[in-house]
Amino acid sequence: SAVISQKPSRDICQRGTSLTIQCQVDSQVTMMFWYRQQPGQSLTLIATANQGSEATYESGFVIDKFPISRPNLTFSTLTVSNMSPEDSSIYLCSVVLGQSRNYGYTFGSGTRLTVV
Amino acid sequence: AQSVAQPEDQVNVAEGNPLTVKCTYSVSGNPYLFWYVQYPNRGLQFLLKYITGDNLVKGSYGFEAEFNKSQTSFHLKKPSALVSDSALYFCAVRGLSSGSARQLTFGSGTQLTVLP
Repeated sequence: SAVISQKPSRDICQRGTSLTIQCQVDSQVTMMFWYRQQPGQSLTLIATANQGSEATYESGFVIDKFPISRPNLTFSTLTVSNMSPEDSSIYLCSVVLGQSRNYGYTFGSGTRLTVV
Repeated sequence: AQSVAQPEDQVNVAEGNPLTVKCTYSVSGNPYLFWYVQYPNRGLQFLLKYITGDNLVKGSYGFEAEFNKSQTSFHLKKPSALVSDSALYFCAVRGLSSGSARQLTFGSGTQLTVLP
C-alpha cells in the first residue's frame, strides 16, 4: 500500500486567511481525492484531484474556495481560502494505488484545522 | 448514486462479548465495500474490504465482515471485543461497474464503546 505524508497535521488560523495542505505519496497513484470531516460528522468528498488538469468538484464545493493542484502523480495540495470558523474540520487526502480491482484506498493522517 | 447507511450512532458492548456494527449500502451493480476505523486525533485506518468471493471477509485486529447481497448489508463483527476496540467505525462503498463513481462514499459512522 502507499504511504502518505500529509502536512500540516494541525493548524489554528485566523478568519479571512488561507491555508494550503500538502499530500505527498511515496509512489505514483492513479487517483487522489480530498475529503472533509466536520466535527462529529462523516467524511464528505470535496474533489478529485486530476493530474495536469483542473480538479473535479462535488456539489457544494467550488474552486475559488478550495483550489487544488496536482502537478504530478505523487503530490497534491488543497487550499482552504478566505477561512471562516465553519471551515474548522479535518481535511484528509486519499489515494488509490493501481488499476486492478484489488487496489485499495489509503488515507493520510489528516489535517486538523481550527479557524478562530 | 451510491450511498451507505449506518443505522446506529452508538454501540456499547461489554469486553469479551461479541460485537456487531451494522452497515447497509446502495450502489449500481456489484459493490466494493470497506470498513475503516478512526481513533481520536488520528486518520482513517483500513480494516477490511470486500470485492468478490467468499462472503465472509477477515481483516485486521480480529475483525470480520459478512457480505449479504440479498440484504445489501456488510456488517462488521468481532467474536470477543476489547476495550482498545473503542473507536469510530466507518463503512464505505463504491460501485464496480464502469459507470460508477470512483470515489468512496462513507456512512455516518458508528461510535463503538467497549466497557471493561
